[in-house]
Amino acid sequence: DVKVTQSSRYLVKRTGEKVFLECVQDMDHENMFWYRQDPGLGLRLIYFSYDVKMKEKGDIPEGYSVSREKKERFSLILESASTNQTSMYLCASSLTASSGNTIYFGEGSWLTVV
Amino acid sequence: GENVEQHPSTLSVQEGDSAVIKCTYSDSASNYFPWYKQELGKRPQLIIDIRSNVGEKKDQRIAVTLNKTAKHFSLHITETQPEDSAVYFCAANSGGSNYKLTFGKGTLLTVNP
Repeated sequence: DVKVTQSSRYLVKRTGEKVFLECVQDMDHENMFWYRQDPGLGLRLIYFSYDVKMKEKGDIPEGYSVSREKKERFSLILESASTNQTSMYLCASSLTASSGNTIYFGEGSWLTVV
Repeated sequence: GENVEQHPSTLSVQEGDSAVIKCTYSDSASNYFPWYKQELGKRPQLIIDIRSNVGEKKDQRIAVTLNKTAKHFSLHITETQPEDSAVYFCAANSGGSNYKLTFGKGTLLTVNP
């Protein structure tokens, strides 16, 4: 069974703080993703990575960066958190580059920026 | 880029009735269309998907139809049960991308006992 684990489920951070959200998958998946989920806006892609040290911007990358130093781990970084980044963040992974592979999501990280 | 519109945003049905959720997409190169179900407080999970070379796919009480000409696809749930209550998301791969899915905004389905 695929497991995508997000280390922090609930975080409260102050405006201007640097925030790290960590994600680990245990199925040797090549692709990893960070989505943001907001009520009424669905799931929006922030960044994705199709290989170690490779990354591409999604639809809403502003204010975020990512790091993928190892295949199983994909980190989302908020360099200077702002209140409009209060949201639920979902990490996901998929197996290979061929089209239409199932994306498996983590449980989500609820981030509140005050 | 790809734009996926999903309707309705909320849907309430009586147990045993059918439910239909519709999505349209903009990119004619899209060729993969999954549907995800997210129960309250849980992660989204794939329930069914369809590829562009198929017009319909069924899995027990759920089915998905695809009309590539009109660029729309729909989720059909028959004989609904209270445990079908959840938020449902449609998605399409952007520009035939091997990686990137664009999601609709979601439909909150409530099945009343």
